[in-house]
Amino acid sequence: NAGVTQTPKFQVLKTGQSMTLQCAQDMNHNSMYWYRQDPGMGLRLIYYSASEGTTDKGEVPNGYNVSRLNKREFSLRLESAAPSQTSVYFCASRPGLEANEQFFGPGTRLTVL
Amino acid sequence: SQQGEEDPQALSIQEGENATMNCSYKTSINNLQWYRQNSGRGLVHLILIRSNEREKHSGRLRVTLDTSKKSSSLLITASRAADTASYFCATDGMTGRRALTFGSGTRLQVQP
Repeated sequence: NAGVTQTPKFQVLKTGQSMTLQCAQDMNHNSMYWYRQDPGMGLRLIYYSASEGTTDKGEVPNGYNVSRLNKREFSLRLESAAPSQTSVYFCASRPGLEANEQFFGPGTRLTVL
Repeated sequence: SQQGEEDPQALSIQEGENATMNCSYKTSINNLQWYRQNSGRGLVHLILIRSNEREKHSGRLRVTLDTSKKSSSLLITASRAADTASYFCATDGMTGRRALTFGSGTRLQVQP
């Protein structure tokens, strides 16, 4: 099992450009999450998907959209990138809402100039 | 805003010493979890303590939870250089989404 995979690992964008961060898990988990981590801080929830076909906003959703393409894949899209979106983005999955532990991907380091 | 506040923000100890990290949170929880993050990597789950538990052990890890004070501590005994990492507490709240809310973390440096 690869666990949770994220692509790309690194990305540099100019202000106003768009991009999609990809996340996939091969553990047959129902719930998936997108977090961002800014320097010296913990993770903040952007969006989550409790199950295939559902998505909901987290703590900091502005400027982002998500798609739960199928049970395996959960993508995060920046339509018009801003310097404030410079961060490390982590995808995570969880077997279901009643399960406890979350499994994290390795992260995508995004810089917006 | 973040649920948890961790203390200290940074900790430097010698190999073999014990490391204690504290976490405070604000709202009622189902459970509290501790995660570890090596530099440049994703988070790895270490241990979970439920709201009706007061203490839990796993190997060299000991976690306590005081729900009346809304606080938890993580003790790493006989630390090793390989324990150098950032440690985060995360609370699993009682809202429907069951998403974790993370503290700001403690950076632990274990000197060989």
